[in-house]
Amino acid sequence: NAGVTQTPKFQVLKTGQSMTLQCAQDMNHNSMYWYRQDPGMGLRLIYYSASEGTTDKGEVPNGYNVSRLNKREFSLRLESAAPSQTSVYFCASSPLLATGYTFGSGTRLTVV
Amino acid sequence: KNEVEQSPQNLTAQEGEFITINCSYSVGISALHWLQQHPGGGIVSLFMLSSGKKKHGRLIATINIQEKHSSLHITASHPRDSAVYICAGTQGGSEKLVFGKGMKLTVNP
Repeated sequence: NAGVTQTPKFQVLKTGQSMTLQCAQDMNHNSMYWYRQDPGMGLRLIYYSASEGTTDKGEVPNGYNVSRLNKREFSLRLESAAPSQTSVYFCASSPLLATGYTFGSGTRLTVV
Repeated sequence: KNEVEQSPQNLTAQEGEFITINCSYSVGISALHWLQQHPGGGIVSLFMLSSGKKKHGRLIATINIQEKHSSLHITASHPRDSAVYICAGTQGGSEKLVFGKGMKLTVNP
């Protein structure tokens, strides 16, 4: 099983450009999440989707949008990238409330 | 104020040593997760516990609900255990994880 697949693994953007980070899971999990990881900060929740058709803001949602396309896929969009969005982004999924999290391998994004 | 605190932030050990990593959490955390992040960046979930103790191989996780404290123990440590160990709490009534800042463990041969 692939688990949680994120694409791309690396990306460099210019300030103001847009892009979408893709995430797909093949474990039939209900819940999916997007986190960012910055040095000295720990992981912080950007958005999550408790189930197909629902999305909710996390701790740091400003500058991002998400789409839960179907049960498998949860994308994160940066409409106008800013240097402050330089980070490593992780997608994760879990079957039910707070059990058995599986993480993707991460996307390293640099905004110049 | 972070609701999940880890100590120490860095730890260096010699191969074979018994290692303990600590995590304290605040009121409102209903379950505790231990995660491992290797230098390559991938994150693996090790344990989730809300009471008692769990064991997997050389890893043991314990939680003391009254003291709001959890520990991750590594027995017979090995250089391949070198990683960042992250403690995360589930906020009661939600699916959101609150993360500690992680502890970088280096095990020297």
